[in-house]
Amino acid sequence: SQKIEQNSEALNIQEGKTATLTCNYTNYSPAYLQWYRQDPGRGPVFLLLIRENEKEKRKERLKVTFDTTLKQSLFHITASQPADSATYLCALPNNAGNMLTFGGGTRLMVKP
Amino acid sequence: EPEVTQTPSHQVTQMGQEVILRCVPISNHLYFYWYRQILGQKVEFLVSFYNNEISEKSEIFDDQFSVERPDGSNFTLKIRSTKLEDSAMYFCASRAGTGRVGELFFGEGSRLTVL
Repeated sequence: SQKIEQNSEALNIQEGKTATLTCNYTNYSPAYLQWYRQDPGRGPVFLLLIRENEKEKRKERLKVTFDTTLKQSLFHITASQPADSATYLCALPNNAGNMLTFGGGTRLMVKP
Repeated sequence: EPEVTQTPSHQVTQMGQEVILRCVPISNHLYFYWYRQILGQKVEFLVSFYNNEISEKSEIFDDQFSVERPDGSNFTLKIRSTKLEDSAMYFCASRAGTGRVGELFFGEGSRLTVL
């Protein structure tokens, strides 16, 4: 069955450092992959989408890579700030493209 | 900035009661979704809706659940006879109608507590 794995342990880093979060998947051949941010008690907020033919995508301090051979996406936040503290979710579509399945998320804590 | 709005923000109900959760998606969006998140767990897909019909549903979305778009603006989720395990945050989301790829815009959620 299809599976999405994100590190369930919280990632604690110092302000100014680069945070790197991992999303691994099995039994998928997704046309794209998305990353969302979720704050406690709030709905997920879209951050970035990367397609299967793109190796890397950047948006301000965010960078996403997508390795379809390794079946892995890495999500980087450079020059991290305490305001970046949140849970980050990766999401993949099904083959029909009519639903997204979310990973369990990784909680990021950036200490000042 | 357009947003997805959900009501109520919190509902407490007795087991066995019917509940309707309401959503107003972004006005020019064509794809609509319901997800739920049990406290401390992952965001789980329930159902997607396009062109006035269900396009995909999960195993969670059994006969106790139904969705409707009654008037071209609202999108509702009905749970006919609530169970304790239905207690969760329910998120509505919508997407623009530009093919199979696109970001989902989520509402702030309706927290359902079943006693």
